[in-house]
Amino acid sequence: QQPVQSPQAVILREGEDAVINCSSSKALYSVHWYRQKHGEAPVFLMILLKGGEQKGHDKISASFNEKKQQSSLYLTASQLSYSGTYFCGTEQASARQLTFGSGTQLTVLP
Amino acid sequence: KAGVTQTPRYLIKTRGQQVTLSCSPISGHRSVSWYQQTPGQGLQFLFEYFSETQRNKGNFPGRFSGRQFSNSRSEMNVSTLELGDSALYLCASSFYRQETQYFGPGTRLLVL
Repeated sequence: QQPVQSPQAVILREGEDAVINCSSSKALYSVHWYRQKHGEAPVFLMILLKGGEQKGHDKISASFNEKKQQSSLYLTASQLSYSGTYFCGTEQASARQLTFGSGTQLTVLP
Repeated sequence: KAGVTQTPRYLIKTRGQQVTLSCSPISGHRSVSWYQQTPGQGLQFLFEYFSETQRNKGNFPGRFSGRQFSNSRSEMNVSTLELGDSALYLCASSFYRQETQYFGPGTRLLVL
């Protein structure tokens, strides 16, 4: 079952923060985050395994709440290069395949 | 290390024809997954191959098939093409099953 992402779209100014959410009605084994720029392939950002650990690199981090089956991607002090569509991909322990959300279109303006 | 490569990058076919797409994973990666991406349906999982065996299959008709060779390269085939098969077909490789997947640039298929 496809995870639900919110918001569908967000527009920011450079330096502002954003949060993208991903939720599932199924028990999750892992959550994967990708960013895709127009006309390009999705690029891996990070993977979170069940256990509620938070990961991050640079100014992008993510958390995974196993109890709520929710993950959030945090983008702080956004840069123009952050623009793109962000997808979460979820994996259930019972069905080891990635199911992607519909994506969140992030636009960072100067 | 070279990334995932897909050939061809663009393809135009007519309804009823068949098509074969190729994917070469990152060297050392043994798992290859295929996805279909369309504006309306988003990224949808087609199938996953590991050690030349299909391990998972998404909810697509039997017209969609694939295989993996001993060198981990993979092909997917779509027979009796329909207009709705027009999409970007992405393959992704990982070292082992369900680890971080790295996507190729995709093959954009247009069915007329």
